Amino acid sequence: KAGVTQTPRYLIKTRGQQVTLSCSPISGHRSVSWYQQTPGQGLQFLFEYFSETQRNKGNFPGRFSGRQFSNSRSEMNVSTLELGDSALYLCASSPVWSETGLNYGYTFGSGTRLTVV
Amino acid sequence: QKEVEQNSGPLSVPEGAIASLNCTYSDRGSQSFFWYRQYSGKSPELIMSIYSNGDKEDGRFTAQLNKASQYVSLLIRDSQPSDSATYLCAALSGNTPLVFGKGTRLSVIA
Repeated sequence: KAGVTQTPRYLIKTRGQQVTLSCSPISGHRSVSWYQQTPGQGLQFLFEYFSETQRNKGNFPGRFSGRQFSNSRSEMNVSTLELGDSALYLCASSPVWSETGLNYGYTFGSGTRLTVV
Repeated sequence: QKEVEQNSGPLSVPEGAIASLNCTYSDRGSQSFFWYRQYSGKSPELIMSIYSNGDKEDGRFTAQLNKASQYVSLLIRDSQPSDSATYLCAALSGNTPLVFGKGTRLSVIA
């Protein structure tokens, strides 16, 4: 069973540019979440999609956006890149989203390491 | 603001010893709890999940949950140098996002 696939693995961008990252979840997983990881802040939640709808959004500026397609693949976009956006961006998918809150856990992709210069 | 707190470490233990990692969470409504292991330069890997009070064992790993104290722990028995990594505790409540602690760095000394 294929895992969560993120592309590209590495990116170098210049300040002011924009970037699009892609995530393909495990087959059958309908929930996709995005996290930003930096050494100082740890894993910070960006947004979560379920059945093409954004279910939750973290405390990030509007420059960060995302979407999910009908096949559950997801993309996130960062516009007007800043030096502080340099981070590891992680996508995670989950097979179950229960109203009772029980969840079998998120599986992470390998991440996209973004460097803004 | 829902928070998960962990001691950042580093926690150093000798090979063969028991490593004890702890975390506390702020949201009493949290129902699902997870431990992830993250090697340097890699993505987090799920190693344990726990949903009810008590202990849950899987090989050398034991997760412990105490909802009254809002406390989750992970014990690693017979620690090996390959266990050296950052361990992330996470809590989930209903439809809200999975919240992570900042992780505890474990170093197992051969």
